[in-house]
Amino acid sequence: AQSVAQPEDQVNVAEGNPLTVKCTYSVSGNPYLFWYVQYPNRGLQFLLKYITGDNLVKGSYGFEAEFNKSQTSFHLKKPSALVSDSALYFCAVRDESGGSNYKLTFGKGTLLTVNP
Amino acid sequence: GAVVSQHPSWVICKSGTSVKIECRSLDFQATTMFWYRQFPKQSLMLMATSNEGSKATYEQGVEKDKFLINHASLTLSTLTVTSAHPEDSSFYICSAREAKRPYNEQFFGPGTRLTVL
Repeated sequence: AQSVAQPEDQVNVAEGNPLTVKCTYSVSGNPYLFWYVQYPNRGLQFLLKYITGDNLVKGSYGFEAEFNKSQTSFHLKKPSALVSDSALYFCAVRDESGGSNYKLTFGKGTLLTVNP
Repeated sequence: GAVVSQHPSWVICKSGTSVKIECRSLDFQATTMFWYRQFPKQSLMLMATSNEGSKATYEQGVEKDKFLINHASLTLSTLTVTSAHPEDSSFYICSAREAKRPYNEQFFGPGTRLTVL
């Protein structure tokens, strides 16, 4: 079985400050990890993914995430937050083996609010 | 590339009627399509997985007679909510996977907001 935990329902940061949105995962094999962002009444927008290779992954809109195998974490980060980054962020995991027909498992989401 | 569309983007219907939502892959062949349901301020819950030309596989607790899924072609899957009730009101999102792409990534549609009166 695979699972994802996003321990914070909400994260508030001031504009210009660094932001971190936390994610930990559990899979039986090697993980494929994803971050998505969702604006109100919109679908998911892909931010970045970790498949293999460098543990630090850079993605869209200045976001990055660090894969930490020993801590089973994949936290999303941005050095300087913008008000427009305010949205709902989802972490997702899939087992590399492709079992269960390549299903993704999502975390419950973290609402990021960037204050001006 | 890898664009997925959904139609309609929103729909309002009366209780007891059926509603069909379409999911299309515009520039690739979707070997597998996934249907998710999302309640307000909650995560995406996978409802079912459908492979082209075969019956959908439903997640535990999802009524297959209530949520009919058809994946008749490599670019189109439909979700029909039969005899809709207010508790079926939700945001429905589809995603699609193309077998030949590396890592079997899913690409998501923009979602359909269903409101049942």
